Amino acid sequence: KQEVTQIPAALSVPEGENLVLNCSFTDSAIYNLQWFRQDPGKGLTSLLLIQSSQREQTSGRLNASLDKSSGRSTLYIAASQPGDSATYLCAARGDSNYQLIWGAGTKLIIKP
Amino acid sequence: GAGVSQSPSNKVTEKGKDVELRCDPISGHTALYWYRQSLGQGLEFLIYFQGNSAPDKSGLPSDRFSAERTGGSVSTLTIQRTQQEDSAVYLCASSGGPSSATQYFGPGTRLTVL
Repeated sequence: KQEVTQIPAALSVPEGENLVLNCSFTDSAIYNLQWFRQDPGKGLTSLLLIQSSQREQTSGRLNASLDKSSGRSTLYIAASQPGDSATYLCAARGDSNYQLIWGAGTKLIIKP
Repeated sequence: GAGVSQSPSNKVTEKGKDVELRCDPISGHTALYWYRQSLGQGLEFLIYFQGNSAPDKSGLPSDRFSAERTGGSVSTLTIQRTQQEDSAVYLCASSGGPSSATQYFGPGTRLTVL
């Protein structure tokens, strides 16, 4: 059974710093792995999706990597801004079905 | 175009009452998902609709939970005889199809059972 873990549960850093959020999964038979952002009172926004055959994806200041063999994905945020403050969730989709298995999220606070 | 919408945004109910939560997916999206997010927890899959196929109800936590999707569009999640442990944010998402990886989420309905 797939389990997804995100560490740390919360992170607070000064504006301008580069930072890394971690996501680990127990079953390497994944179809893809996605990173989402959740703002209070709002739904989830898809940030990056990495297919199982890919090693990384980039969008602006965001870079997500995937290492299936070690069961890890990281989300790198460059030059962090207060507007990046949100909860970041990762979700793994299995090979055999469409269901997403979710981590509990990392709450990120960027201090001005 | 409009995104996924959900109503109500907040619902407070008394234990034992029934509630209905509504989801309007993005027009043309054939796949619709319901998730539950409890405080400090990850999202929990509840149910999945794909076109006219029978829904996957494997995530529903008890027989008090049911959902339907009328006309392949709007979906309603019904919780009967609500319990305090049902308190959570209920999120709906839609996508272009089972092979379409990206799910688009609504803002959620926050349910509080007193």
